[in-house]
Amino acid sequence: DTGVSQNPRHKITKRGQNVTFRCDPISEHNRLYWYRQTLGQGPEFLTYFQNEAQLEKSRLLSDRFSAERPKGSFSTLEIQRTEQGDSAMYLCASSSVNLVSNQPQHFGDGTRLSIL
Amino acid sequence: AQSVAQPEDQVNVAEGNPLTVKCTYSVSGNPYLFWYVQYPNRGLQFLLKYITGDNLVKGSYGFEAEFNKSQTSFHLKKPSALVSDSALYFCAVRDGSNAGNMLTFGGGTRLMVKP
Repeated sequence: DTGVSQNPRHKITKRGQNVTFRCDPISEHNRLYWYRQTLGQGPEFLTYFQNEAQLEKSRLLSDRFSAERPKGSFSTLEIQRTEQGDSAMYLCASSSVNLVSNQPQHFGDGTRLSIL
Repeated sequence: AQSVAQPEDQVNVAEGNPLTVKCTYSVSGNPYLFWYVQYPNRGLQFLLKYITGDNLVKGSYGFEAEFNKSQTSFHLKKPSALVSDSALYFCAVRDGSNAGNMLTFGGGTRLMVKP
């Protein structure tokens, strides 16, 4: 399977704890995105990378959130001092963008975070 | 700013009948439009996109969508619905004039196809 892979699929933690999620994009894709989806809503953009550079961050990404893509391959999303409102599905997507083509974003199955 | 509206929370259709899921958008530059489908506890699956060219776009699983610039709409259609089409459908837009690639999604429409 060469799709977008996210780990873990589910994470349950106590309020105040730190959590980290991992995303492995489709190997030839140079762009990687993070979205958050709450129940009954559409995904909301958090941030994206082109190769290892983080190019855009949503105002939803508070200072408790940090994302990295150190070698331009996999990415991690860390949430520090988790709060109840952080409970959501965190989706990762990747795409290949160049001057010739504009390919759609392909999504992983997400990490569902539950804060107790 | 860009936005997407999906006016129907749920669409019910009988198997074999045609279906339409509505989407309207707002974007300041060139609209790049997408439809995705989501099954329970899964990520989003790409169905089709409009970037430029023919207003009628054909995608996966027999779905198609019609881009209407004057009505700023991009409705999803299928001539004959299947029970297996029952899922959550999301319309998304991004500004093609912007180098960024942020997608803005609608709130989703649940499609229920009854046998």
